[in-house]
Amino acid sequence: GQNIDQPTEMTATEGAIVQINCTYQTSGFNGLFWYQQHAGEAPTFLSYNVLDGLEEKGRFSSFLSRSKGYSYLLLKELQMKDSASYLCAVQGDYKLSFGAGTTVTVRA
Amino acid sequence: EAQVTQNPRYLITVTGKKLTVTCSQNMNHEYMSWYRQDPGLGLRQIYYSMNVEVTDKGDVPEGYKVSRKEKRNFPLILESPSPNQTSLYFCASSLSTGTGSEAFFGQGTRLTVV
Repeated sequence: GQNIDQPTEMTATEGAIVQINCTYQTSGFNGLFWYQQHAGEAPTFLSYNVLDGLEEKGRFSSFLSRSKGYSYLLLKELQMKDSASYLCAVQGDYKLSFGAGTTVTVRA
Repeated sequence: EAQVTQNPRYLITVTGKKLTVTCSQNMNHEYMSWYRQDPGLGLRQIYYSMNVEVTDKGDVPEGYKVSRKEKRNFPLILESPSPNQTSLYFCASSLSTGTGSEAFFGQGTRLTVV
């Protein structure tokens, strides 16, 4: 089965940095995705890691350690529009399994 | 424009009245799936399909049916809806289940069963 854990909520100030951790225990691993979901909207793709290390994409970076079953999403220079839920998802052999999501609130 | 289209966006129905939520993608993707999203539980997979006429159960399949007669369409059928199926539903498609194949999601269907 799949077990994916991430914090429920985080709050940060505009311009700051926030790190969202995700730990997973899964049967089969073909990569880890991060998605962003604004309230009432569909999830949208942010990043993908399949090898250990850091992937950087503008203000967003994602890290993976396969041996530790651990990933994080780093959001830099936070903006108000970054207030959303961030979903960690693990690609197994035939399915994509999601954590419950972390709601990030950015305060002015 | 590449997209996944779900209909309807909102639906209120009564217990026991059969309904179908449609899903269509225009990206020639092989893999399609249905999720439900409930507060505190995240996205849970209901059914998935790896190609035409190939479907399988996800984590929460009870009370749902699917079919995949054409590559682009993957309807979700609730034969006899019950109030515990009140939820936000998402259809998603991806090129395959291989590495790096991101999922594209439909706009969501908010279903209320009274």
